[in-house]
Amino acid sequence: AAGVIQSPRHLIKEKRETATLKCYPIPRHDTVYWYQQGPGQDPQFLISFYEKMQSDKGSIPDRFSAQQFSDYHSELNMSSLELGDSALYFCASSSRGATQYFGPGTRLLVL
Amino acid sequence: KNEVEQSPQNLTAQEGEFITINCSYSVGISALHWLQQHPGGGIVSLFMLSSGKKKHGRLIATINIQEKHSSLHITASHPRDSAVYICAAQYNTDKLIFGTGTRLQVFP
Repeated sequence: AAGVIQSPRHLIKEKRETATLKCYPIPRHDTVYWYQQGPGQDPQFLISFYEKMQSDKGSIPDRFSAQQFSDYHSELNMSSLELGDSALYFCASSSRGATQYFGPGTRLLVL
Repeated sequence: KNEVEQSPQNLTAQEGEFITINCSYSVGISALHWLQQHPGGGIVSLFMLSSGKKKHGRLIATINIQEKHSSLHITASHPRDSAVYICAAQYNTDKLIFGTGTRLQVFP
């Protein structure tokens, strides 16, 4: 069965650079969630989209933005990267209110 | 104080033992999730509960809404069960608030 796809799987950037993470939800899932998991920390909710509209916002820095496109894939744009942005970024998808299925994550390292 | 608390934080067991991981949450939720995270980071959804009990293979999850408490049980544990088990509370907007995780190691 198709799962959530994230790309890239690994990313190395330098401070002040920008990064774009992509998430392709399971077919027919209308909701996408982004989570950030720092080293040794719990995942933290960043932002979610339902039917291409932002549905909730968590602890997402102003330097980050995200959107969901007409094909339901989502992109997380991160600018002016800081060392503290190094983390594992998970995307999850669901049909509204149902079980969330997680992607494999994108591991971002900011040097 | 984390809205979702798990215990224990670390757990070691011998193969075959019965394992229980507990989760408490502080406010009303729409559902409670149990997730498994392996080294390398991938997260797998095990259960989504809003009431009662669910069973899948050797895994059983229960929830008591009145007491705001859930448990994950693993019967006949196996070394391949070694992972971090995370309890996460789902609220009305569907975002998940994660617990701190329980690191389980099962030795042969």
